[in-house]
Amino acid sequence: RKEVEQDPGPFNVPEGATVAFNCTYSNSASQSFFWYRQDCRKEPKLLMSVYSSGNEDGRFTAQLNRASQYISLLIRDSKLSDSATYLCVVNTNAGKSTFGDGTTLTVKP
Amino acid sequence: ETGVTQTPRHLVMGMTNKKSLKCEQHLGHNAMYWYKQSAKKPLELMFVYSLEERVENNSVPSRFSPECPNSSHLFLHLHTLQPEDSALYLCASSQGRGGYTFGSGTRLTVV
Repeated sequence: RKEVEQDPGPFNVPEGATVAFNCTYSNSASQSFFWYRQDCRKEPKLLMSVYSSGNEDGRFTAQLNRASQYISLLIRDSKLSDSATYLCVVNTNAGKSTFGDGTTLTVKP
Repeated sequence: ETGVTQTPRHLVMGMTNKKSLKCEQHLGHNAMYWYKQSAKKPLELMFVYSLEERVENNSVPSRFSPECPNSSHLFLHLHTLQPEDSALYLCASSQGRGGYTFGSGTRLTVV
């Protein structure tokens, strides 16, 4: 079993749709969590950190469920420009980072 | 200049060549990383430097040799590479428990 697992997709949604991605992790000692976005042939860019209480940044909402060991990313009112691969990253307290394989999102007109 | 800067952006090298990739961060971060990303594959961690000490070496072949002369600079020295080493090589930096800031990467082609 992988340490961090994501549904690879692809997710194909129309503009304006709401889409959610989940990411499960196996190491219960994991301490910090992030979502990154990677456009085709570009570097990953930090989208948002994920806090225990959940956090929101505009159309994006991140949630953490420690009991079930998963994090989620919700995108509301999808835009064409949201098309990308979304990577979840899980860090242990020792500073080890594990990347998921990524979930590909395509938003269509 | 801000962020993480990588040079060169593109590199084509023969299997007998020696080249180096350079990374510089202007963020005051205390850790730097080399990642490899092959086509349609996830990121693979290669090396981690924390406070200029190598703290992780993920079973990377010896034809890849990292160097971290100070907390702002990181190099990846390449020699006698194989075609399967063709990939996007990404440098990143971080501070404490914060997320990574990645450079734009070097797209390497070994011919």
